Amino acid sequence: AQSVSQHNHHVILSEAASLELGCNYSYGGTVNLFWYVQYPGQHLQLLLKYFSGDPLVKGIKGFEAEFIKSKFSFNLRKPSVQWSDTAEYFCATQNQGAQKLVFGQGTRLTINP
Amino acid sequence: DGGITQSPKYLFRKEGQNVTLSCEQNLNHDAMYWYRQDPGQGLRLIYYSQIVNDFQKGDIAEGYSVSREKKESFPLTVTSAQKNPTAFYLCASKEDRGREAFFGQGTRLTVV
Repeated sequence: AQSVSQHNHHVILSEAASLELGCNYSYGGTVNLFWYVQYPGQHLQLLLKYFSGDPLVKGIKGFEAEFIKSKFSFNLRKPSVQWSDTAEYFCATQNQGAQKLVFGQGTRLTINP
Repeated sequence: DGGITQSPKYLFRKEGQNVTLSCEQNLNHDAMYWYRQDPGQGLRLIYYSQIVNDFQKGDIAEGYSVSREKKESFPLTVTSAQKNPTAFYLCASKEDRGREAFFGQGTRLTVV
């Protein structure tokens, strides 16, 4: 069955620290991959997505993610975080050719000023 | 102004009652989804629909029902059979298989 695992439940960092949030998926076929962010009191919005091509994907607000097929991973990174990055982050996967969209458990990120 | 509208924002229900959550989109998207968000459990898929008059169960469909009579509408009914209905419910829609999903603001359901 299709599933997504985010290993970090709550990450606390100081401003300017580097960030990496893990995401692993279970499906062995071709997938589309997404990272969404939910800022406090706001609805989910897309950070970045991967469908095909360059495995290093750049998104909004300085975020990037790398698709490593051999590791079934799509980790999210940011070189230097800001207090405004405090939010919950969700990784999601969708099998190509299907509509089912599955999310991970989410990672709560707290940035201390 | 295109988007997804969920109503109401807050909903209170007595135990044993069914309640229907509304989700409307004017994005002309074919696919629509319902998720349940609980702390520490992320978003869990309840039902999804790829086209009008068709829908599939997600991972936690028990105690829920849906309909898709119109392209723009995908209401979710939380029935009395749902053992733990208090949660935050999110509706989403998507244009086609290669596009990202867009989310509504959510409905927070509390059973009292």
